[in-house]
Amino acid sequence: QKEVEQDPGPLSVPEGAIVSLNCTYSNSAFQYFMWYRQYSRKGPELLMYTYSSGNKEDGRFTAQVDKSSKYISLFIRDSQPSDSATYLCAMRVLLGAQKLVFGQGTRLTINP
Amino acid sequence: GAVVSQHPSWVICKSGTSVKIECRSLDFQATTMFWYRQFPKQSLMLMATSNEGSKATYEQGVEKDKFLINHASLTLSTLTVTSAHPEDSSFYICSAIPSGFGETQYFGPGTRLLVL
Repeated sequence: QKEVEQDPGPLSVPEGAIVSLNCTYSNSAFQYFMWYRQYSRKGPELLMYTYSSGNKEDGRFTAQVDKSSKYISLFIRDSQPSDSATYLCAMRVLLGAQKLVFGQGTRLTINP
Repeated sequence: GAVVSQHPSWVICKSGTSVKIECRSLDFQATTMFWYRQFPKQSLMLMATSNEGSKATYEQGVEKDKFLINHASLTLSTLTVTSAHPEDSSFYICSAIPSGFGETQYFGPGTRLLVL
C-alpha cells in the first residue's frame, strides 16, 4: 500500500464548477500537508500548506485536513480554464526528515 | 520571493556522455535541496537529499555513482548524470528549503533530459 493515495483522474468539469480533489494517507506521523499545482512540462508550484486539522482558505482555494480520517482535500471554487493542471498532494512528518511524500497527482481539465 | 531556477531547461545528449544540471536558489539560501525525477503522467520520485557541505543522501534504488550530487554552496546544487543511457531520459526537478524556515519546498522549473 502506498503511503499516499490520490486518484489520478483525469477529472473534467465545466468552467465555474466547484472542484474537489482528495488524498488519503496511511502514516499517522504525517503532520504537514501541501497541495502543489503542476502545469505540463513545468515544476510544481505551491498552492496551499497546512499542519492542522480543519480548513484553510486562500482566495478560490480551500484546503481541508481531517487527521482522524487521514484524509485531505483541496476545493477550487469558480473554477477557470487556467486551473487546468495536475494537482499533487504532498505531506511530511513535522520533525526530522524534511522529504515530502507525494500523491500520484490528479489531472484536472476545466472546460470553457 | 522563493525562486528556484534550473539550468539547462532541456538537454539532448548521446548515450554514454555525462550531463550536469544546476539548481539555484535565487533569492534565498538553502541548506537543503532535493532532486526528483518524474516520468510522463507520473508523480515525483525523490532521488536524493542534498545538504550543503556534506554528502547527499540517496533514496533506495538510486545509484549514487550514476547520479552525482554536489551542494557546494548555499545557493547551488548540481546533479550529474554519468554515462547516460536512454532509460535515464526523464524530467528532473529540484527543490529547495529556505534555511531557517524548514517547512516549505520551492521547486525549480525542471530539466528535460533526452538521451539518444
